[in-house]
Amino acid sequence: EVQLLESGGGLVQPGGSLRLSCAASGFIFSNYAMNWVRQAPGKGLEWVSVISGSGGYTYNIDSVKGRFTISRDNSKNTLYLQINSLRVEDTAVYYCAKPSGRGTSPDQFDYWGQGTLVTVSS
Amino acid sequence: QFVLTQSPSASASPGASVKLTCTLSSGHSNYAIAWHQQQPERGPRYLMRVNSDGSHSKGAGIPDRFSGSSSGAERYLTISSLQSEDEGDYYCQTWGTGLVIFGGGTKLTVL
Repeated sequence: EVQLLESGGGLVQPGGSLRLSCAASGFIFSNYAMNWVRQAPGKGLEWVSVISGSGGYTYNIDSVKGRFTISRDNSKNTLYLQINSLRVEDTAVYYCAKPSGRGTSPDQFDYWGQGTLVTVSS
Repeated sequence: QFVLTQSPSASASPGASVKLTCTLSSGHSNYAIAWHQQQPERGPRYLMRVNSDGSHSKGAGIPDRFSGSSSGAERYLTISSLQSEDEGDYYCQTWGTGLVIFGGGTKLTVL
């Protein structure tokens, strides 16, 4: 059974940093690109970052470029999101999501974690 | 601009059927989409993929009450025999070269 379990969220002041983790199980982690998706309170889903299965390719949306870094440790079956220079507008539940296909190209997400809440406030 | 458009809300009675719509922007009518369900206070759950020809493939454990179809630039999710646990938000998702897009979501109320 595929499971994705996020952790690392919390309350942080503007300008602060957090490192989110997503522990994966039930599939060959290194075979799949992995994604982070966030959801601000009362809002819809927003795709944030993607990393290839090997970790050699990463992409972030414009609003987080230079502040967010996606990475992975395939030996630990774990996905990370380092978030720096946090802004109030980064407040959201952050989900990791697995695509159904094994390629590098984007695909539908067939499994989601339960999310971890990041609150940016002074 | 590549966008997905969904109606903000829908409602139906228990036991009835409801059809939710996701519309692809101009020039993108051949794209497949995925439907995701988000029950209150929970993470999203993948329901199915719907292709431009109307074929669909469901995720693991998704009941037969859920089905997908397509017409032109519109992709549909039909839920029959509505149950109270079907209440929640429904999002469509599509993808292209180097991007993933979500619709704004439809809030389904089971009256």
